[in-house]
Amino acid sequence: GQQVMQIPQYQHVQEGEDFTTYCNSSTTLSNIQWYKQRPGGHPVFLIQLVKSGEVKKQKRLTFQFGEAKKNSSLHITATQTTDVGTYFCAGQPPGDSWGKLQFGAGTQVVVTP
Amino acid sequence: GAVVSQHPSWVICKSGTSVKIECRSLDFQATTMFWYRQFPKQSLMLMATSNEGSKATYEQGVEKDKFLINHASLTLSTLTVTSAHPEDSSFYICSARRDQWEENEQFFGPGTRLTVL
Repeated sequence: GQQVMQIPQYQHVQEGEDFTTYCNSSTTLSNIQWYKQRPGGHPVFLIQLVKSGEVKKQKRLTFQFGEAKKNSSLHITATQTTDVGTYFCAGQPPGDSWGKLQFGAGTQVVVTP
Repeated sequence: GAVVSQHPSWVICKSGTSVKIECRSLDFQATTMFWYRQFPKQSLMLMATSNEGSKATYEQGVEKDKFLINHASLTLSTLTVTSAHPEDSSFYICSARRDQWEENEQFFGPGTRLTVL
């Protein structure tokens, strides 16, 4: 079945630095979504990418969807302490009408001042 | 808007008992809800897709008779862990999709921590 892999598992970042987390699916995806889960909280939707090669930006966050619609990345510039949390990618398989998602393992981000 | 609640937020029970967890969409209708398990510092594992008015669709390896799902209305889905055992201890979290919206995003509840003694 479909598997979504995400690296790195942990990311220790100095405040002000940039970092990237990567997501790879074993199969082509209908779309990919990114969620953020703060410590002790629940996942919160960040963005959805649908088109091949799509790039979307949200302030300091840049999301990309690969040409083959099998991989994605999240790049954060000038990291702030508010960026602490776990970032999950989640892929929707083609042909699924319910919106079912396969979550990656997540990247836990720790920011040091 | 788009708030999802879960009740209870935590529960401790004895081995062999059944526990019911409720998931409610407070300000929107949700024909489709999802149930996940999340182990500490790990990802969300989809257990089942809950559809109002029809049977839930379970992921491979999830026991249907163990985890009973009922989606009785457009705002409520329940997960019952039957004859719970210590290995069922986990963080159970639900999510919902808004009806009549094109987006696919899921709105998550705050989760329920289940501890089986």
